[in-house]
Amino acid sequence: EPEVTQTPSHQVTQMGQEVILRCVPISNHLYFYWYRQILGQKVEFLVSFYNNEISEKSEIFDDQFSVERPDGSNFTLKIRSTKLEDSAMYFCASQRDTGNTIYFGEGSWLTVV
Amino acid sequence: GQQVMQIPQYQHVQEGEDFTTYCNSSTTLSNIQWYKQRPGGHPVFLIQLVKSGEVKKQKRLTFQFGEAKKNSSLHITATQTTDVGTYFCAGWAGNTPLVFGKGTRLSVIA
Repeated sequence: EPEVTQTPSHQVTQMGQEVILRCVPISNHLYFYWYRQILGQKVEFLVSFYNNEISEKSEIFDDQFSVERPDGSNFTLKIRSTKLEDSAMYFCASQRDTGNTIYFGEGSWLTVV
Repeated sequence: GQQVMQIPQYQHVQEGEDFTTYCNSSTTLSNIQWYKQRPGGHPVFLIQLVKSGEVKKQKRLTFQFGEAKKNSSLHITATQTTDVGTYFCAGWAGNTPLVFGKGTRLSVIA
């Protein structure tokens, strides 16, 4: 079964450093998402991406965050200057069409120290 | 904005007991989806409900979508240790991102 793949699985970074989380969505999917989950809490929406642009973003997704689909297969989340409170599991997800099942990757666990 | 409330937050049951989690949206939904997240894992899609009053079953799991399409429930009959995890509902209102409830963490005591 096709799956969403994410790298790295775990990253430890110093506060203030830039981080890039990478995702390869399912190939025929059109909608891409980043969600995050702080330890023990719910899954929170960060941003959705369709047709090479951001379609929606939450208040969490401030100027420190950016997304890119540089080459038609990868979908990246960049955090420019990490803060301690950015420590969380970041899930990439993709969807064939709006309203359909969202498929999640296994997540990238980010620890900011 | 749209909110999805889910209760209870935690549930501990003896193996063989039933379990139910409830989900309530602040807005009418186009569909509701249920996901299961095992400890340390990622959310995995279980089912999607679209129609008002819809009931779907997957083996010991029964999912219901309310008549007003604002609430939903997941019921597990005769829980097993493999049912352990957090169950999330996620509502889609049609023109907004999927909004997740806080989840119900199920523990099953053998």
